[in-house]
Amino acid sequence: GAGVSQSPRYKVAKRGQDVALRCDPISGHVSLFWYQQALGQGPEFLTYFQNEAQLDKSGLPSDRFFAERPEGSVSTLKIQRTQQEDSAVYLCASSLASSSGGYTFGSGTRLTVV
Amino acid sequence: GQNIDQPTEMTATEGAIVQINCTYQTSGFNGLFWYQQHAGEAPTFLSYNVLDGLEEKGRFSSFLSRSKGYSYLLLKELQMKDSASYLCAVRPVGKLQFGAGTQVVVTP
Repeated sequence: GAGVSQSPRYKVAKRGQDVALRCDPISGHVSLFWYQQALGQGPEFLTYFQNEAQLDKSGLPSDRFFAERPEGSVSTLKIQRTQQEDSAVYLCASSLASSSGGYTFGSGTRLTVV
Repeated sequence: GQNIDQPTEMTATEGAIVQINCTYQTSGFNGLFWYQQHAGEAPTFLSYNVLDGLEEKGRFSSFLSRSKGYSYLLLKELQMKDSASYLCAVRPVGKLQFGAGTQVVVTP
């Protein structure tokens, strides 16, 4: 597609519920990134894929967070047993492998855990 | 680890110039980026510096000094639509690390 597409745009989850957030990157973009952004803060790195390989998951805050990109295109970020502190905007970005032009971000999924 | 510092907020009047400074300490360096983010929207790419010096792109310019771990974003001829958060980001290897952002408020 023309841009990075994320769904759902908004998600309200009850504490303890599992959620799955989807990212559809720009066609042909090899690299895909997930970020978490709290209100008034900059995006915080979660994890990074190159094609289907997860090269860096050092930013995932706990083992309740899991990301996959099985065919090297669409990616899913799953959060198990959601907690209130998981409430944030989850941003996905993609780029060409050797891009110097920055990453293209999706509009994000705003997750609210109640 | 990474440490990226930028001012929290800046206010300027329409038509003026504003300079947003960013200092960083990172283990490894492979480029510095500036993004603009309006409230509730995705960050959008503004500029990229990997070598020392000034990069100019229309009303926006970005400067980098790698030896000083310092960059700035210069916004000229400010317009009301420039009111947004401006994010400084450094790429050590692979991933971008972001600062907390500078909220720029443009007043009439």
